[in-house]
Amino acid sequence: EVQLLESGGGLVQPGGSLRLSCAASGFSFDSYGMSWVRQAPGKGLEWVSAIGGSGVGTYYADSVKGRFTISRDNSKNTLYLQMNGLRAEDTAVYYCAKDAAPHSGAYLDHWGHGSLVTVSS
Amino acid sequence: SYDLTQPPSVSVSPGQTATITCSGDKLGGKYAHWYQQKPGQSPVLVIYQDMKRPSGIPERFSGSNSGNTATLTITGTQAVDEADYYCQAWDSSTRGVFGTGTKVTVL
Repeated sequence: EVQLLESGGGLVQPGGSLRLSCAASGFSFDSYGMSWVRQAPGKGLEWVSAIGGSGVGTYYADSVKGRFTISRDNSKNTLYLQMNGLRAEDTAVYYCAKDAAPHSGAYLDHWGHGSLVTVSS
Repeated sequence: SYDLTQPPSVSVSPGQTATITCSGDKLGGKYAHWYQQKPGQSPVLVIYQDMKRPSGIPERFSGSNSGNTATLTITGTQAVDEADYYCQAWDSSTRGVFGTGTKVTVL
């Protein structure tokens, strides 16, 4: 059974940093692309970033480019999202999601339960 | 940037057909995927590659994609189908795009 477990969310001040982790199990982690998707309170889904299975090929939404960095450690079956320069508008539940293909750009067939990030002073 | 537009809400009576549209420039030339999200839960994939159903998704869910519009159809809608639905595609730069979302209400 595929399981994705996010952690690392919390309250951070504007301008601060946070690193989210997503521990994966139940599938061959290095064989699939992964994405981060966020959802602000009461709002719709927003794609944030994606990475290929081998770690080569990273992609970002314009809203986070230059501030967020996606990475993965295939030896630990873990996906990361380093978030710097956080803004109030980054407040959201962050989901990690598994892509159905080795690269990114297929479809997201499994999702974690999400980790809440709140940016506020 | 690439945008996908959905109607904010769709209302349907139990047993009837709900149709949710997703509009984007030349969307028919891309794959469209659909996700269902119930309150307080994570999204679930219900249709991928325009018209394919993942294992465990009921046959009443179907999809199509042509021209500038992808469509999710729920035939014989049940109360359990009440949820938010999002279409999704990838732009030419391998960036994901979600639709604006549609709230389906089963009256």
